[in-house]
Amino acid sequence: GEDVEQSLFLSVREGDSSVINCTYTDSSSTYLYWYKQEPGAGLQLLTYIFSNMDMKQDQRLTVLLNKKDKHLSLRIADTQTGDSAIYFCAEKVAGNTPLVFGKGTRLSVIA
Amino acid sequence: DTEVTQTPKHLVMGMTNKKSLKCEQHMGHRAMYWYKQKAKKPPELMFVYSYEKLSINESVPSRFSPECPNSSLLNLHLHALQPEDSALYLCASSQDRGRLVVQALHFGNGTRLTVT
Repeated sequence: GEDVEQSLFLSVREGDSSVINCTYTDSSSTYLYWYKQEPGAGLQLLTYIFSNMDMKQDQRLTVLLNKKDKHLSLRIADTQTGDSAIYFCAEKVAGNTPLVFGKGTRLSVIA
Repeated sequence: DTEVTQTPKHLVMGMTNKKSLKCEQHMGHRAMYWYKQKAKKPPELMFVYSYEKLSINESVPSRFSPECPNSSLLNLHLHALQPEDSALYLCASSQDRGRLVVQALHFGNGTRLTVT
């Protein structure tokens, strides 16, 4: 079955790197996504990675995928107070099934 | 700014009222979605429309009735709701639901619904 797990909270100091982790169970995942949700807003797609890749970098964001361990991480370099939000990992498995979301990690950035 | 627009932003309704939530996108996306999100929880899928046809109904009670008048618009009609239906209702769209296409969802900012 499909299950996506994330730790619920992360607190970092401004300027440090943040690493948000996610594990998933379905080995037939095709794409994995990171979404950001700020208070009072919808989810914003940050980045995604195809399952045959192991790394993707986009400015301050680095996504690492370990397919063997079914582990996905999002690293945010030079974390800013504007990065404070809930970050959702999501998995797309093969076929026409919808995305499966993790429970979200609340990132708090301390000035 | 989001490219998926939802109205209204806030809605308070009684249990006997009938109201509608609206969603619009002009990105040419052919799949549209309704999600329900309770506080501190991930979004829960309610309905999926693909090429204006309902393709997924996640066993949602009939007091929620979706409608897709055209490829840019998605409505959610509400009738006889319960207080536990109070939540943030999110609309999303994606390019389509084909297997070989990145299913990146573009979300609106949601309608905050309170049922009294």
